[in-house]
Amino acid sequence: QVTLRESGPALVKPTQTLTLTCSFSGFSLSTNGMCVSWIRQPPGGAPEWLALITWDDDQYYSASLETRLTISKDTSKNQVVLTMTNMDPVDTATYYCARAITWNDGHFPDYWGQGTQVTVSS
Amino acid sequence: AIRMTQSPSSFSASTGDRVTITCRASQEISTYIVWYQQKAGEAPNLLIYAASTLQRGVPSRFSGSGSGTDFTLTISRLQSEDFATYYCQQYYSYPYTFGQGTKLEVK
Repeated sequence: QVTLRESGPALVKPTQTLTLTCSFSGFSLSTNGMCVSWIRQPPGGAPEWLALITWDDDQYYSASLETRLTISKDTSKNQVVLTMTNMDPVDTATYYCARAITWNDGHFPDYWGQGTQVTVSS
Repeated sequence: AIRMTQSPSSFSASTGDRVTITCRASQEISTYIVWYQQKAGEAPNLLIYAASTLQRGVPSRFSGSGSGTDFTLTISRLQSEDFATYYCQQYYSYPYTFGQGTKLEVK
């Protein structure tokens, strides 16, 4: 079955760079149509889409965060990595990775990881 | 970015009720919309994709409709496990965007 798990630091300091890893099983990112997304959700707030990487290595980013985000994949390890630079307390949230499948040229998440809580504080 | 506006933001209902949640896109998105259910402390769970297609394993009391800019999620007969927060999300164009959520509470 499809599973995803996020890992990374629970606490980062302002201005630091956050690196999160999504480890997954049950599908391959080399399969046509498969993608992985990162989505975050602040406490009590709505989810916010951050980034997506496709099976053929196309990358898409949130317009407001594009300059701070990098998404990459290691197909052999079944991992996707998200880095976010210059962290700020407003970036405190639960960060999720999710498998996204392709449907008529769009990609929507169908399986989500459990999420990892990231707090930004000095 | 496309703005997704859900209404209502919260709603009280009783088990057995029929409930409709709406989502309006700020521009045309065809049927490129999904609906998620989220319970406290859990990740969102996919209910509906392509506006009206039920995800495998989701009870048939959930249904979706709409195209263009106006969409609805309907729960035909509320069960106790349906009290949760519901989100719409468009995947028509990047950046993908979510609605602000509708919290369904017990009356």
